[in-house]
Amino acid sequence: DAKTTQPPSMDCAEGRAANLPCNHSTISGNEYVYWYRQIHSQGPQYIIHGLKNNETNEMASLIITEDRKSSTLILPHATLRDTAVYYCIVIPGANSKLTFGKGITLSVRP
Amino acid sequence: NAGVTQTPKFRVLKTGQSMTLLCAQDMNHEYMYWYRQDPGMGLRLIHYSVGEGTTAKGEVPDGYNVSRLKKQNFLLGLESAAPSQTSVYFCASSWTLSYNEQFFGPGTRLTVL
Repeated sequence: DAKTTQPPSMDCAEGRAANLPCNHSTISGNEYVYWYRQIHSQGPQYIIHGLKNNETNEMASLIITEDRKSSTLILPHATLRDTAVYYCIVIPGANSKLTFGKGITLSVRP
Repeated sequence: NAGVTQTPKFRVLKTGQSMTLLCAQDMNHEYMYWYRQDPGMGLRLIHYSVGEGTTAKGEVPDGYNVSRLKKQNFLLGLESAAPSQTSVYFCASSWTLSYNEQFFGPGTRLTVL
């Protein structure tokens, strides 16, 4: 499986966009990029996933570079409740085993 | 829908005691998983099940056993608890292997003294 690299932490102001980067330079052609988040003391929550094209849902947008070696999760209008650890995970579509690294801690400040 | 529920929420054991953690889901998912999370770490897969009556080992299976007698339930057992098994345990479920949107429970915080 491809590995991912995320900065350990970042912060942003409430109401502003939060752009969370992820590097996955060894990603294979059949591997998807998934994002989960974990709010303190809760179970992880699925956010979004993509293969090649950019994706958007009610929670976030996922921007994948053309060479697929990196991606960015965008929370368009961050709120205090978005403070959490965000995990970028790369896995083949047919493999359900999620491998969680340490993720990136996003702190949203008032 | 309750989603994924876990019982109990907290538990303290003495070394050598046994216990069973119960995970239940009401979404008719085929796949269920048990993870553990240690402080400052990501989740690690203990065991998983691809359907009723089937189980398989994950990344860190030693010291644990599982059973999936009913589709909606996935049990995690510790036969002889050790302090190294102090952790937060999360259960999850999903529709299929090829679609990895897993739904997680709230977790069970286990302390082994």
